[in-house]
Amino acid sequence: GNSVTQMEGPVTLSEEAFLTINCTYTATGYPSLFWYVQYPGEGLQLLLKATKADDKGSNKGFEATYRKETTSFHLEKGSVQVSDSAVYFCALSRSSNTGKLIFGQGTTLQVKP
Amino acid sequence: GAVVSQHPSWVICKSGTSVKIECRSLDFQATTMFWYRQFPKQSLMLMATSNEGSKATYEQGVEKDKFLINHASLTLSTLTVTSAHPEDSSFYICSARDSASEAEQYFGPGTRLTVT
Repeated sequence: GNSVTQMEGPVTLSEEAFLTINCTYTATGYPSLFWYVQYPGEGLQLLLKATKADDKGSNKGFEATYRKETTSFHLEKGSVQVSDSAVYFCALSRSSNTGKLIFGQGTTLQVKP
Repeated sequence: GAVVSQHPSWVICKSGTSVKIECRSLDFQATTMFWYRQFPKQSLMLMATSNEGSKATYEQGVEKDKFLINHASLTLSTLTVTSAHPEDSSFYICSARDSASEAEQYFGPGTRLTVT
């Protein structure tokens, strides 16, 4: 079946450090891939997405590239800020019509000043 | 951006009672809403897809008589946990798809249910 696996957290970084959060998926066909972010006390927000192989999603300095050969969608940011502290979820959708999302377990990022 | 609210944000109830959770899209219409359940340190698990004016579609393993979903308008879906038990304690999250674009889901902040 379809599934998403994220690296376990929490991830603790100093401000301005480089961030990578690994995400791999299992799916048949060509799913769409997403990263969502959940700030404390708020709902999940879409951070970025990619809908086909080799697409790169980017937003707010975060990037992720859809790698079909490695079935991965790793999240990266060159220089994190304290305000990036949140829980990050990788997700896939097999169908744009139904909108059903399958989530990874989430990775908590804590950035220290 | 689009806002989805949930009410209540947290609730404590006694075993055997029923609890209703509301999910509202505040500034857009949502033909489709989704209900998720999240256990501590675990992923969001899709429970059901709620379609306005029709019956909800439940995921495998989710008891439809236990988790009653009603989507009576384009801005409101409700989840009722009937005859709640301690194992139903969890974080319930809803999301809504904008009927105009259907390109994105917007998530509510979640409801923490504790059954004693």
